[in-house]
Amino acid sequence: ESVLTQSPGTLSSSPGERATLSCRASQSLSSSSLAWYQQKVGQAPRLLIYGASSRATGIPDRFSGSGSGTDFTLTITRLEPEDFAVYYCQQYGSSPVTFGQGTKVEIK
Amino acid sequence: EVELSESGGGLVQPGGSLRLSCAASGFTFSLYAMTWVRQTPRKGLEWVSSISSSGDNTYHTDSVKGRFSIYRENSKNTVYLQMNSLRAEDTAVYYCARKFYGIGADASPVFEYWGQGALVTVSS
Repeated sequence: ESVLTQSPGTLSSSPGERATLSCRASQSLSSSSLAWYQQKVGQAPRLLIYGASSRATGIPDRFSGSGSGTDFTLTITRLEPEDFAVYYCQQYGSSPVTFGQGTKVEIK
Repeated sequence: EVELSESGGGLVQPGGSLRLSCAASGFTFSLYAMTWVRQTPRKGLEWVSSISSSGDNTYHTDSVKGRFSIYRENSKNTVYLQMNSLRAEDTAVYYCARKFYGIGADASPVFEYWGQGALVTVSS
């Protein structure tokens, strides 16, 4: 089972700032099989990125993903008020799929 | 518009049973693999079970094998999770999710759409 470790646990930032979130896999992911989700309080997760760098339908271009192998990054270029939430990475290169423990992006 | 609506959650005693339902609309249900994912504050998000579009193939995480079963009725646009021999550690919000078509395998999908979740509490 591939273990995903996200850092930092909490990121305190201000609107307009750039946010960089990290996800590290315990084993190399085939075909960059990594996705990112956003979850707000009381809501279900929402798919942002798949294939490490492809944005899902309707996702603003301020969200971008990068990386390969074991190291992946989600970047939010300019934080909007609605972006303060918890972000999870998920690997789907092997079964069972697994999720990281999450990074909370909070308002500084 | 894609909609997934879970129902059937609630409070159940340890050793009891519960069936969750997920009614889908806004897409051709019979073309998509479906999954149940659960979430707890302690363990976070955890994949539970998946089923192929036809229902011929099912997959479960090790901790629920032999206790949970997933099945679907394509004529009713509904997927179910039958949970037996429930334990306290099964307490969670259970989400129904639709696989992203063409991305990942049925047993290891990306989740393009999610329902709002159903709370299952296992306690005496």
